[in-house]
Amino acid sequence: QVQLVQSGAEVKKPGASVKVSCKASGYTFTNYIIHWVRQAPGQRLEWMGWINAGNGNTKYSQRFQGRVTITRDTSASTAYMELSSLRFEDTAVYYCARSCSSSTCRYYYYYYMDVWGKGTAVTVSS
Amino acid sequence: DIQMTQSPSSLSASVGDRVTITCRASQSISTYLNWYQQKPETAPKLLIYAASSLQSGVPSRFSGSGSGTDFTLTISGLQPEDFATYYCQETYSTGLTFGGGTKAEIK
Repeated sequence: QVQLVQSGAEVKKPGASVKVSCKASGYTFTNYIIHWVRQAPGQRLEWMGWINAGNGNTKYSQRFQGRVTITRDTSASTAYMELSSLRFEDTAVYYCARSCSSSTCRYYYYYYMDVWGKGTAVTVSS
Repeated sequence: DIQMTQSPSSLSASVGDRVTITCRASQSISTYLNWYQQKPETAPKLLIYAASSLQSGVPSRFSGSGSGTDFTLTISGLQPEDFATYYCQETYSTGLTFGGGTKAEIK
């Protein structure tokens, strides 16, 4: 079945970096976009950026520009999100999710996220 | 960035009730609006995309409408499994901003 499997929980110190992985299965990885969305405790969802798994193009939220890097390894059908210069307020659950690309659906520009990973808890603590 | 404001922030309803949740954008976003449902400790689930298109597999009691700045999600006949938090998301801008959420609780 179609699924996104994320890496396990992380605990990091302020100033460190964290890299979370998202392995896709059950569909053609390169035909979709992978988004990263985070949710701090009790807070709303917050979109961080996306990568077109086919051509590697990326787009980042201005809020995270310069601190977030999204990459992918097509041979492993895996996307990665690295967040640097961690702060206490980066403590959150980080989700990956897919949306279709121009090669797979007509309305790709609505960026609707139809499959989500279970989330990876990242705790920033001294 | 575009601001997305949902109302109410929480609601209390009974099984079988018709429930309407509103989402307002700070500027026109045409129909670039998606709705998600999230239950505690789980990932969001896509319900509606492009303001009114029902995602495959989602029950027909869920419907969406609106364009421009004002949108609604309607649940016609609330079921026990529908008690959750609902989020709208605009995909018109480069910010892909989510609303603050509406928590639906059992009366």
